[in-house]
Amino acid sequence: GAVVSQHPSWVICKSGTSVKIECRSLDFQATTMFWYRQFPKQSLMLMATSNEGSKATYEQGVEKDKFLINHASLTLSTLTVTSAHPEDSSFYICSALFPGGKSEQYFGPGTRLTVT
Amino acid sequence: KQEVTQIPAALSVPEGENLVLNCSFTDSAIYNLQWFRQDPGKGLTSLLLIQSSQREQTSGRLNASLDKSSGRSTLYIAASQPGDSATYLCAVTSGNTPLVFGKGTRLSVIA
Repeated sequence: GAVVSQHPSWVICKSGTSVKIECRSLDFQATTMFWYRQFPKQSLMLMATSNEGSKATYEQGVEKDKFLINHASLTLSTLTVTSAHPEDSSFYICSALFPGGKSEQYFGPGTRLTVT
Repeated sequence: KQEVTQIPAALSVPEGENLVLNCSFTDSAIYNLQWFRQDPGKGLTSLLLIQSSQREQTSGRLNASLDKSSGRSTLYIAASQPGDSATYLCAVTSGNTPLVFGKGTRLSVIA
């Protein structure tokens, strides 16, 4: 099946610094990728839709200047958490839309971000 | 606005039992429905995808059904095993749009 990777799998950073998370579709091209956030024992909350070659579409309440998304190629989308604060600590998961018309999404393994 | 509800929120069963997880959605104009499994601290593993024109999909001990008109889906797990313990998430999409997730059912299968 289709594989989506994320890097890093976990990261600890100090408050005020920026962190970049990569999402890659390894064996297919994805014009659309999605970024989700998940708090402990909660379901996934969509943050933004990332489209290759264009600006990301952010969900209501998500600060686009804080969560920078760049979909530079058909296999890579990046999420940069700028000026991170402890409340940004969370589990971030990306998904990639598989081509072919079934609207099937494949998910990455997630990135655990801890801001101290 | 699409809303997805999963019942029960948590379930504990002895090994070997057959079980059913329920999912309902408010807007029946869906393109497909997916069932996922998530282990603690891990990403999502896709289990089954049902297109809106389909009634059910099967994979091994898993069977998912879809009744689009009533806004319901069920995930049937036969002969449950301790390794099935995880959170099961149901999600729907209306096309090339983000998935809308339910809050999941936490399953524990006791040996």
